[in-house]
Amino acid sequence: AIQMTQSPSSLSASVGDRVTITCRASQDIRNNLGWYQQKPGRAPELLIYTASNLRSGVPSRFSGSGSGTDFTLTINSLQPEDFATYYCLQDYNYPRTFGQGTKVELK
Amino acid sequence: QVQLQQWGAGLLKPSETLSLTCAVYGGSFNDFFWIWMRQVPGKGLEWIGEISYSGITNYSPSLKSRVTISIETSKNQFSLRLRSVTAADTAVYYCVRGRLRIVDGGYERSFDPWSQGTLVTVSS
Repeated sequence: AIQMTQSPSSLSASVGDRVTITCRASQDIRNNLGWYQQKPGRAPELLIYTASNLRSGVPSRFSGSGSGTDFTLTINSLQPEDFATYYCLQDYNYPRTFGQGTKVELK
Repeated sequence: QVQLQQWGAGLLKPSETLSLTCAVYGGSFNDFFWIWMRQVPGKGLEWIGEISYSGITNYSPSLKSRVTISIETSKNQFSLRLRSVTAADTAVYYCVRGRLRIVDGGYERSFDPWSQGTLVTVSS
């Protein structure tokens, strides 16, 4: 199975900060990666698919980049509603595998 | 707007069978594939498996010997069965819609939306 290594596991940031989360795959997954946001007690929600495509309705301060093995989720100008846990998910092959998550907390 | 609603028993004893059903409302059923995920409380997410509209399945190797995902297209529903559960199967279970689009140079897959989730507890 492809291993997805996400970093950092947690970070503290302030409203207005730029936040970067990375995900590294154990092998080339082309651009087959999605990013998900999960708030406490809620189901995950899709933010980005195919590495860089923003899901309709997701604010433009979220962006994704990367291909191959290295991927990045960037949140420009962090907003109060962005404090959550973020996961990457590879859909290049089976079994689908997630990163371990990054918790974004208020500094 | 498509909604996924799931139901099933929330409390099981060890060795019993977990059974969950997910119904899809407000959208096409046959243009997508259908997925089950789970999350141990306080932990990360795990892909369990998925099924296409035509009934082709793929399962997590760690669960493959115990899991069955089925689909009932006439009802816009799909189901999860996990046999011989243990405490390690205690988790929130989510059903998810998957979309596949063929684009220049490859594929676009997305997993959206997710259901609200069901906590299944395995305890004697």
